[in-house]
Amino acid sequence: NAGVTQTPKFQVLKTGQSMTLQCAQDMNHNSMYWYRQDPGMGLRLIYYSASEGTTDKGEVPNGYNVSRLNKREFSLRLESAAPSQTSVYFCATGLGGDGNIQYFGAGTRLSVL
Amino acid sequence: AQSVTQLGSHVSVSEGALVLLRCNYSSSVPPYLFWYVQYPNQGLQLLLKYTSAATLVKGINGFEAEFKKSETSFHLTKPSAHMSDAAEYFCAVSDLLTGGGNKLTFGTGTQLKVEL
Repeated sequence: NAGVTQTPKFQVLKTGQSMTLQCAQDMNHNSMYWYRQDPGMGLRLIYYSASEGTTDKGEVPNGYNVSRLNKREFSLRLESAAPSQTSVYFCATGLGGDGNIQYFGAGTRLSVL
Repeated sequence: AQSVTQLGSHVSVSEGALVLLRCNYSSSVPPYLFWYVQYPNQGLQLLLKYTSAATLVKGINGFEAEFKKSETSFHLTKPSAHMSDAAEYFCAVSDLLTGGGNKLTFGTGTQLKVEL
């Protein structure tokens, strides 16, 4: 089992370019999440999908959009990248519900120049 | 909203010494608490989880954490550090979200260095 797979692993963009980060899970989990990790700030929730067909904003959604394509896949799109979006992005999945464990992908390292 | 605070962004110990990483939580109700570990260039991996069944929680790789309500703490310990424990450690608390998901609110992380 691959668990949670994120593509690409690395990306360099110029300001204003767009891109989509992909996430796929084979754990049959209902809930999927996108976090960003910045030095000294821990991880912050960007968007989440509690179940297939639903998406909601997290703590820092500005500048991002998401699509829950099916139960397995949850993508994060940057329409017009800005240097402030330079970060490491993590996808996570879980059963949902309070207290449940989340399982993380290996991350995508994004630099916006 | 619930939150966690990790004291000490960097901790250095000698191999074989006690590891103590501190986490304090802010919650008005008994929280669900987690410790995750992140090795260089990898994602986060669960070490252990507190669910109120027992105040002392044992995790993987010899780590354990004790929930102390009176101190609002959930510190992570390991009796004897190994070089392979060098990593960044995150404390997190769970919040229920609209629609049934759960948000993990993370502390700012503690980088553990293990020296010979």
